[in-house]
Amino acid sequence: DAMVIQNPRYQVTQFGKPVTLSCSQTLNHNVMYWYQQKSSQAPKLLFHYYDKDFNNEADTPDNFQSRRPNTSFCFLDIRSPGLGDAAMYLCATSREQGTGQPQHFGDGTRLSIL
Amino acid sequence: QKEVEQNSGPLSVPEGAIASLNCTYSDRGSQSFFWYRQYSGKSPELIMSIYSNGDKEDGRFTAQLNKASQYVSLLIRDSQPSDSATYLCAVNGGGGADGLTFGKGTHLIIQP
Repeated sequence: DAMVIQNPRYQVTQFGKPVTLSCSQTLNHNVMYWYQQKSSQAPKLLFHYYDKDFNNEADTPDNFQSRRPNTSFCFLDIRSPGLGDAAMYLCATSREQGTGQPQHFGDGTRLSIL
Repeated sequence: QKEVEQNSGPLSVPEGAIASLNCTYSDRGSQSFFWYRQYSGKSPELIMSIYSNGDKEDGRFTAQLNKASQYVSLLIRDSQPSDSATYLCAVNGGGGADGLTFGKGTHLIIQP
């Protein structure tokens, strides 16, 4: 089945130690998104790629970076994780850019910071 | 700042009854509206989308949109215990933005 796959499902890292989360998709969608969801809060958009074009949200901390080496893969890099970065990180895709496009989510990566 | 507001609940509904979930949004330019279901510890799952004023039905689910009032709702008929989850309202559009703005979600409990 075509899907959005996130690895790992659970990630534990140490305070300040860089960590990378990965997302892959078999839907051949042009747009890939990264959201952060903290406990009992709404998912919050960090950034998205339309093809190779990177779009950062204005309030996304500089600590968060992303890479999309090809259509299928997208990575979230957290350069120096702080305790406040513990959250569920959700990857989503949509076929095209623009309104009206439903987004399809992966199962998420739950990040814990020691 | 775009905002999407939902009553966090919990909303408790007896099995077999109609569950009614509500959402308001602040950006009048919003064009697309989605309801996602999220089980605890899982990712959001799209259950309904609506783009024009009125009602849209899909099985036991009906989405209602009133752009003049900036109001979206989701009705779940014949509620089942498996419907117990958090329901997230999401809004897209306005100013060309591509990402979704989510509400915090309503926690729905269906009582057997």
